[in-house]
Amino acid sequence: GAVVSQHPSWVICKSGTSVKIECRSLDFQATTMFWYRQFPKQSLMLMATSNEGSKATYEQGVEKDKFLINHASLTLSTLTVTSAHPEDSSFYICSAIGPHNQPQHFGDGTRLSIL
Amino acid sequence: AQSVAQPEDQVNVAEGNPLTVKCTYSVSGNPYLFWYVQYPNRGLQFLLKYITGDNLVKGSYGFEAEFNKSQTSFHLKKPSALVSDSALYFCAVRDPLGDTNAGKSTFGDGTTLTVKP
Repeated sequence: GAVVSQHPSWVICKSGTSVKIECRSLDFQATTMFWYRQFPKQSLMLMATSNEGSKATYEQGVEKDKFLINHASLTLSTLTVTSAHPEDSSFYICSAIGPHNQPQHFGDGTRLSIL
Repeated sequence: AQSVAQPEDQVNVAEGNPLTVKCTYSVSGNPYLFWYVQYPNRGLQFLLKYITGDNLVKGSYGFEAEFNKSQTSFHLKKPSALVSDSALYFCAVRDPLGDTNAGKSTFGDGTTLTVKP
């Protein structure tokens, strides 16, 4: 089946650091990629939707300058959390979707802990 | 606008018993419906989907779901639960006509399934 690779799986860093998370679709071309944030025992919160070669569409309340998304190719999207602070600590999950009504395929998530 | 509701935060069943995880949806057109499962510290895994056709959909790990248009429901079921089925389950709906971002799904709040031996 379709595989989405997300890296790194765990990040611990100091406040003020910028952190980049990569999301790759390994065996299909992803027309669209999504970035989610998930708090403990809570549902997924969609942060943004990105299409290759165009600017990401951010959900209401998500800071564009704080969470930079780059979708450079049909197989790679990156999320950069700029100047991270403890309140940015969370579980971040990406997903990718190909054409023809396919389900979303999810990465294994990135646990971000800001000290 | 599309929405999905999972009315139960928690479902507990004994191993070997049938299980049901409920999901209801709201879309303006014909829905695309999905179920996903999430294990601790992992991303979501696709279980099954309904796009069109037979209302009873069979998916991975022995799970199935029935699309009921009149009740706008898509409940997840399994005839005999396993302890290893214990996880967080998400229902999702996509309205293929109602969103400029094709593929954007709305997820329910999740239901934690606990299967006890």
